[in-house]
Amino acid sequence: AQTVTQSQPEMSVQEAETVTLSCTYDTSESDYYLFWYKQPPSRQMILVIRQEAYKQQNATENRFSVNFQKAAKSFSLKISDSQLGDAAMYFCAYSKLLGGKLIFGQGTELSVKP
Amino acid sequence: KAGVTQTPRYLIKTRGQQVTLSCSPISGHRSVSWYQQTPGQGLQFLFEYFSETQRNKGNFPGRFSGRQFSNSRSEMNVSTLELGDSALYLCASSLLEGGSTDTQYFGPGTRLTVL
Repeated sequence: AQTVTQSQPEMSVQEAETVTLSCTYDTSESDYYLFWYKQPPSRQMILVIRQEAYKQQNATENRFSVNFQKAAKSFSLKISDSQLGDAAMYFCAYSKLLGGKLIFGQGTELSVKP
Repeated sequence: KAGVTQTPRYLIKTRGQQVTLSCSPISGHRSVSWYQQTPGQGLQFLFEYFSETQRNKGNFPGRFSGRQFSNSRSEMNVSTLELGDSALYLCASSLLEGGSTDTQYFGPGTRLTVL
């Protein structure tokens, strides 16, 4: 069975600084998708970034980028120039290529200090 | 495009009652998935519907059921409510063209409280 692990329950970063959130996963599949979702206090789950496992290039979306290490089964999220609005719970998630089911990690609560 | 909508946003029920939650996907999306979020268990997959058929089911008791209509709107039902069913229920939709996984976009959730 696939599993996703986020080992940092809480993280803190100073405004304008950079922070990296960690995620590891376990799967026997060779092709799959990985996601980072953000859940602010409003509880609306928002997609941050997506990575296809067959792509070696790391995905980036503005201030958000990932470090995808397929062999190590590691998928970390880097947030550059952190803003107060980045404060939220961040979830790492995995899905098979043909599935429709997301498997989530436990989440990392990120706080941003002004 | 309008996002995923869920109704109602908040519900209070008592043990033993049943409840129906509704989800309208993004226009053109044909797949709808449901998740339960609790502080103790985190986010857990309930089931997924595509073209009115249940494609995947999570590890939940039979009290949890769902369906999808021809317009892709989906409902989930929980019968004989238990205190442990108190949770945020999230619905997500995706395009799923050709059956392959696509990005899931979430609704705001329905907060269910069972007294």
